[in-house]
Amino acid sequence: DAGVIQSPRHEVTEMGQEVTLRCKPISGHNSLFWYRQTMMRGLELLIYFNNNVPIDDSGMPEDRFSAKMPNASFSTLKIQPSEPRDSAVYFCASSLLFQETQYFGPGTRLLVL
Amino acid sequence: DAKTTQPNSMESNEEEPVHLPCNHSTISGTDYIHWYRQLPSQGPEYVIHGLTSNVNNRMASLAIAEDRKSSTLILHRATLRDAAVYYCILRDGGAGGGADGLTFGKGTHLIIQP
Repeated sequence: DAGVIQSPRHEVTEMGQEVTLRCKPISGHNSLFWYRQTMMRGLELLIYFNNNVPIDDSGMPEDRFSAKMPNASFSTLKIQPSEPRDSAVYFCASSLLFQETQYFGPGTRLLVL
Repeated sequence: DAKTTQPNSMESNEEEPVHLPCNHSTISGTDYIHWYRQLPSQGPEYVIHGLTSNVNNRMASLAIAEDRKSSTLILHRATLRDAAVYYCILRDGGAGGGADGLTFGKGTHLIIQP
């Protein structure tokens, strides 16, 4: 089992540019979660999907952030335009619906200059 | 999710048992107690969870107080690889429970001395 796959692992961009983070959940999992981790705020849930449908996006910081899950094996988190305060590690996690355990990917470390 | 309280950091020696406490005085009857840990530069990983009874798995043991207002994660023989931030999280196991995201606190930074 390859686990949750995230790409890119590292991203450096300039303020104002569009950033797209990608996630491939574990095959067969039907819940997908996006989290963000910073020193100041710790780990925060941004949005999650059940069966490809967004259920709760109340953690998305503002309209510059958007997430999609076009199919069961792929999700994107997009930031447009990016700002320096978006610099963080972004984690994707997946699980079976109503299963207790979430499996996290290795994260994408984003630096916005 | 109900709030949990953990010490900011703890230190232990290698090959000794470690007891990581968590207080959750406002826990509800349907809240499960979950533990995740995050090794340096990695994503969080599941450790163990329980409702009322003590639980054991290959990674750790979870001891839950009779009134459920506190719990303790037990690493029976700590190794250097167990140095991580340990998070105690409550999740509602009622209708829809287990389908939503995790609410992480600050966790306990566990330091293992060789």
